[in-house]
Amino acid sequence: AQTVTQSQPEMSVQEAETVTLSCTYDTSESNYYLFWYKQPPSRQMILVIRQEAYKQQNATENRFSVNFQKAAKSFSLKISDSQLGDTAMYFCAFEKVQGAQKLVFGQGTRLTINP
Amino acid sequence: DGGITQSPKYLFRKEGQNVTLSCEQNLNHDAMYWYRQDPGQGLRLIYYSQIVNDFQKGDIAEGYSVSREKKESFPLTVTSAQKNPTAFYLCASSIGLLAGNYEQYFGPGTRLTVT
Repeated sequence: AQTVTQSQPEMSVQEAETVTLSCTYDTSESNYYLFWYKQPPSRQMILVIRQEAYKQQNATENRFSVNFQKAAKSFSLKISDSQLGDTAMYFCAFEKVQGAQKLVFGQGTRLTINP
Repeated sequence: DGGITQSPKYLFRKEGQNVTLSCEQNLNHDAMYWYRQDPGQGLRLIYYSQIVNDFQKGDIAEGYSVSREKKESFPLTVTSAQKNPTAFYLCASSIGLLAGNYEQYFGPGTRLTVT
């Protein structure tokens, strides 16, 4: 079974700073997807970024980028030039390629951006 | 606009009563999912369905039941057998296995309170 661990329950930074959220996972699968989802106070889950395990290049989406270390089973999210609207819970999630499409989530990191 | 709707947003029930949460999608997705979210925890999978008239148990299916009679609809019934039903429930959908796209899209959620 796969597990996802987010070791930082809460983080807080000043607006415009860069922040990195950590995520590690455990799996015996060789091919899989990794995701970062954002859940703002509205509680709507929003996909931030995705990474295919077979791709060596780290995914980027505007101010969001990941550091994917497959051997270390690490998948951190970097938010550059943080904005007040980035305040949210962030969840790391794992999904196998083979078999049923089921997401396994970490416990989440509550990120607060201060003005 | 395409999307996932969940109704109602807030639901209150007395202990011992069954309650059904609605989830409808007009994205033409094959797969649908139900997750439960408790404070301080990530999302946990209750049930999922990859095709009409078929569904499988997730990690915490006890005390819940589902049906998938139509592609657009995946209602979740919280039965009186569920020991701690108060939680936030999220429905999601994805295109399906054959499409090669593993992203799940989430509805706005239903907050269920049982007293």
